[in-house]
Amino acid sequence: QVQLVESGGGLVKPGGSLRLSCAASGFTFSDYYMSWIRQAPGKGLEWVSYISSSGINIYYADSVKGRFTISRDNAKNSLYLQMNSLRAEDTAVYYCARPLFKGGLLADYWGQGTLVTVSS
Amino acid sequence: EIVMTQSPATLSVSPGERATLSCRASQSVSSNLAWYQQKPGQAPRLLIYGASTRATGIPARFSGSGSGTEFTLTISSLQSEDFAVYYCQQFNNWPPYTFGQGTKLEIK
Repeated sequence: QVQLVESGGGLVKPGGSLRLSCAASGFTFSDYYMSWIRQAPGKGLEWVSYISSSGINIYYADSVKGRFTISRDNAKNSLYLQMNSLRAEDTAVYYCARPLFKGGLLADYWGQGTLVTVSS
Repeated sequence: EIVMTQSPATLSVSPGERATLSCRASQSVSSNLAWYQQKPGQAPRLLIYGASTRATGIPARFSGSGSGTEFTLTISSLQSEDFAVYYCQQFNNWPPYTFGQGTKLEIK
């Protein structure tokens, strides 16, 4: 069955960095676009970034552009999010998500999330 | 960016009754609209896509309708496990695929 397991969250000071990872299993990872979606405490959902199956096409929300970098290693079935210059408003649970269809982006499978807290 | 507006923010309904949740897009998204359910401490769960197609394993009491800018999620007879927060999301214009702010469905 499809499994997505995020890791790498934690407490970091403003201006600091973190690298999130998402380990995927139960499907052919290299066939699917993948996304990071976040949710601030008590708030709604925000699409942060996606990456195409090959890694060529990448999108970032304006709120993280220039600070976050998404990448993937298809040989390791893993998705990553490098987060630099972190701000308090980046505090959120970060979910890794797989779409319903190959070549699409509609998130169907989600990981359990990893909490990132940016605070001094 | 397309803005998705959900109403009401909170809906109080008794078990066994019908719940109707609304979602409005700031411009047409055709039928490219999805609904998610989220329970406390859990990731969102896809319920409906293409405005009216139930995702795998979703009970028939959940139905979606609408197109263009106005959409509705109906839960025909509320079960205890249905009390949660519901989000709509457009996947017509990207980036980004924007979400609504959510409707909390609570027990009356």
